Amino acid sequence: GENVEQHPSTLSVQEGDSAVIKCTYSDSASNYFPWYKQELGKRPQLIIDIRSNVGEKKDQRIAVTLNKTAKHFSLHITETQPEDSAVYFCAARSGGADGLTFGKGTHLIIQP
Amino acid sequence: DTGVSQDPRHKITKRGQNVTFRCDPISEHNRLYWYRQTLGQGPEFLTYFQNEAQLEKSRLLSDRFSAERPKGSFSTLEIQRTEQGDSAMYLCASSSRGVTNGYTFGSGTRLTVV
Repeated sequence: GENVEQHPSTLSVQEGDSAVIKCTYSDSASNYFPWYKQELGKRPQLIIDIRSNVGEKKDQRIAVTLNKTAKHFSLHITETQPEDSAVYFCAARSGGADGLTFGKGTHLIIQP
Repeated sequence: DTGVSQDPRHKITKRGQNVTFRCDPISEHNRLYWYRQTLGQGPEFLTYFQNEAQLEKSRLLSDRFSAERPKGSFSTLEIQRTEQGDSAMYLCASSSRGVTNGYTFGSGTRLTVV
């Protein structure tokens, strides 16, 4: 089955700086890669996603890039703000399945 | 209808007891998913329904776990003969047209087995 590795487990950046979180996946048949944000004690929420036929997608301060050859994808957050502090999970969908395989999460800390 | 509802929010049970959780999805969503999340980990897929049909089950879903969605609306997840390793947050999610449309997660049921 699919295996998703996520790094780093904790990331601390100064407010206003950029943050990058990286994930790798094992199943070359995976074709959909979402990112979820989970604030403390709250439910995970989808923030951005990318499909395997696209190399990059942007939505305001966040962007996701995908390298199918290397089987890795990354989340980029620019001009970080205190409300960006949360745990971020990457995930991958294998083939035609509807379930997702999640990474272990990255705790992003924005230092004032 | 403000989102995905799960009940109860917290459940403490003794090892060996059976527990049942309920999930009410967003009413127009025909797809419903159960995930389990332990501390410091990402959600792990358990099972998925499209309407009342259970279409996918993870290897994680042992014989002690059973899920139903009898009328294609709410769903229940039952764990029989609970073990301490079952302690986790059980998350339900729903979607209107599948995972690529994005999930809406519920707030979860936190299970503690003592």
